[in-house]
Amino acid sequence: DIQMTQSPSSLSASVGARVTITCRASQNINHFLNWYQQKPGKAPNLLIYLGSNLQTGVPSRFSGSGSGTEFILTISSLQPEDLATYYCQQPYTTPKIFGQGTKLEI
Amino acid sequence: EVQLVESGGGWVQSGESLRLSCAASGFMFSRNWMTWVRQVPGQGLVWVADINQDGSEKKYVDSVKGRFTISRDNAKRSLYLQMNSLRSEDTATYYCAALNDLDALDIWGQGTMVTVSS
Repeated sequence: DIQMTQSPSSLSASVGARVTITCRASQNINHFLNWYQQKPGKAPNLLIYLGSNLQTGVPSRFSGSGSGTEFILTISSLQPEDLATYYCQQPYTTPKIFGQGTKLEI
Repeated sequence: EVQLVESGGGWVQSGESLRLSCAASGFMFSRNWMTWVRQVPGQGLVWVADINQDGSEKKYVDSVKGRFTISRDNAKRSLYLQMNSLRSEDTATYYCAALNDLDALDIWGQGTMVTVSS
């Protein structure tokens, strides 16, 4: 199985700050990496697909980069509504494992 | 409105069965692979199972193989998860989600809670 490791597992940042979350795959997954945001008590929501493509309707302050085994989610200017847990997931092969999540506090 | 609505969750005892349903509306359900994802309270997301458009291809996480069965009825625009021999570790919120052409889960239901008591 391909394991997905996110770091950090939690972080606290101020409004307006630049935030980066890293996701590492145990094997090469090319660009097959998606990022999801899950707000408290809600279902997850797709942010970024295929490593760097912004899902329709997602604010442009979110961006994704990387390929192979290392990927980064960046929030360029943190907003209060970004309070959430962020997950990466590899859809490259089954089981389609999610990272353990990064809990973001404002 | 694009929507997935899960139902069928509840409280059961260990060893019992439960069938979850997911009703789709607002998009071409029959064109999408569909997925079940679960989440233990306070923990992360776990991919459970996938099914292709006509139901001929199914994939499962090892922990549910032989106990859970994913299926669909395109005429009813519905996805199902039959869960047998339930264990306490199956306690979770179960989400159905639609997989788009780019292998991303872009439509999610609100989730249904399953509690398995030992």
